[in-house]
Amino acid sequence: SQQGEEDPQALSIQEGENATMNCSYKTSINNLQWYRQNSGRGLVHLILIRSNEREKHSGRLRVTLDTSKKSSSLLITASRAADTASYFCATDSGGGNKLTFGTGTQLKVEL
Amino acid sequence: GAVVSQHPSRVICKSGTSVKIECRSLDFQATTMFWYRQFPKKSLMLMATSNEGSKATYEQGVEKDKFLINHASLTLSTLTVTSAHPEDSSFYICSARSGTGGGYSNQPQHFGDGTRLSIL
Repeated sequence: SQQGEEDPQALSIQEGENATMNCSYKTSINNLQWYRQNSGRGLVHLILIRSNEREKHSGRLRVTLDTSKKSSSLLITASRAADTASYFCATDSGGGNKLTFGTGTQLKVEL
Repeated sequence: GAVVSQHPSRVICKSGTSVKIECRSLDFQATTMFWYRQFPKKSLMLMATSNEGSKATYEQGVEKDKFLINHASLTLSTLTVTSAHPEDSSFYICSARSGTGGGYSNQPQHFGDGTRLSIL
């Protein structure tokens, strides 16, 4: 079953704008991870945030985690056309180190 | 570092054929690899966890006799789709986690580029 639900399912913005994606999950977690997938390709790891962390930055990416609300957000600042991809959150709840993926957000950045 | 290679990238074959997909960790050892299936514009569904030197652990609803997994070395896991039928057509992706022992926790997974399987 899907642990995470992502919102919105699809997002279309102009280059230079910020993009925000949200992820909700159901069970307690060790960490939450964000991945990016270009069409027809594998996933690329973007950022991992541990359950005891609230915010993390990596370049133009900013991730927040609210364990009380069981939610996370991914912010991409100053978006570029090359950021066009699907973005997935994934939770690691322990128990074999398996990841459970969210439903994904399809981001389209237009010139 | 932490590169995972998956081969082949695309397979088109007739119904009834068995298809083998390879997943290799190129610059690290992976005692555990994971196999996922992804339908168009959908999320990844974990099929099984592949453990080096032991039997794979399959998720509920995944037929172990249909999807054979072998993890014979620390750098190679294979998924064989036996007697494939059109409903097996999908995008299959493997991943591996770097790190050993307790180092697995709070480590990302590294993904192959996926295999597009089309059964005619």
